[in-house]
Amino acid sequence: RKEVEQDPGPFNVPEGATVAFNCTYSNSASQSFFWYRQDCRKEPKLLMSVYSSGNEDGRFTAQLNRASQYISLLIRDSKLSDSATYLCVVTSYNFNKFYFGSGTKLNVKP
Amino acid sequence: GAVVSQHPSWVICKSGTSVKIECRSLDFQATTMFWYRQFPKQSLMLMATSNEGSKATYEQGVEKDKFLINHASLTLSTLTVTSAHPEDSSFYICSANPGRVNEKLFFGSGTQLSVL
Repeated sequence: RKEVEQDPGPFNVPEGATVAFNCTYSNSASQSFFWYRQDCRKEPKLLMSVYSSGNEDGRFTAQLNRASQYISLLIRDSKLSDSATYLCVVTSYNFNKFYFGSGTKLNVKP
Repeated sequence: GAVVSQHPSWVICKSGTSVKIECRSLDFQATTMFWYRQFPKQSLMLMATSNEGSKATYEQGVEKDKFLINHASLTLSTLTVTSAHPEDSSFYICSANPGRVNEKLFFGSGTQLSVL
């Protein structure tokens, strides 16, 4: 079983739409959680960390559900520039490994 | 913020040659660095964890004699792809974090390796 599972998409949405991604993880002892954004053949860039209390950064909202072992990312008012692959990342219990989901591709259309 | 420098960005080499990729943390010390490989349209796959002053820890299915990792200082880790073959062509990327809980990963810019 993979450490982190993500729907690969693609999600094709019009500009202005709201889109949500989920990601599940297998190890209940996982320590930290992140969403990264990756553009084609570029390094991943941190979008936001994910906390149990939920956190919001502009149009982006991330949520962690430890009981169900999933994290989510909500993007409101999608922009063309949001088109990318979104990776969820989970660290090991001792924080010495970072596991990546397969990535969810988002295409925002005019 | 913290910066991780990786080079070269692109490498084209003949089959059978060895290629070295360097990863440096520029403004923090990294006792641990991570090496990932990414094939087209696939996710990042952790290859190995590089530990300063000790042997790297390889993930299952990654040949340690094929992918030599050296982490001789707190700011430099190298990955050498030995006797590269076309199937080794991939995007290789390193990352590091300062080691503090909840601290994010800082990534190098990646190396696109093409083996002819």
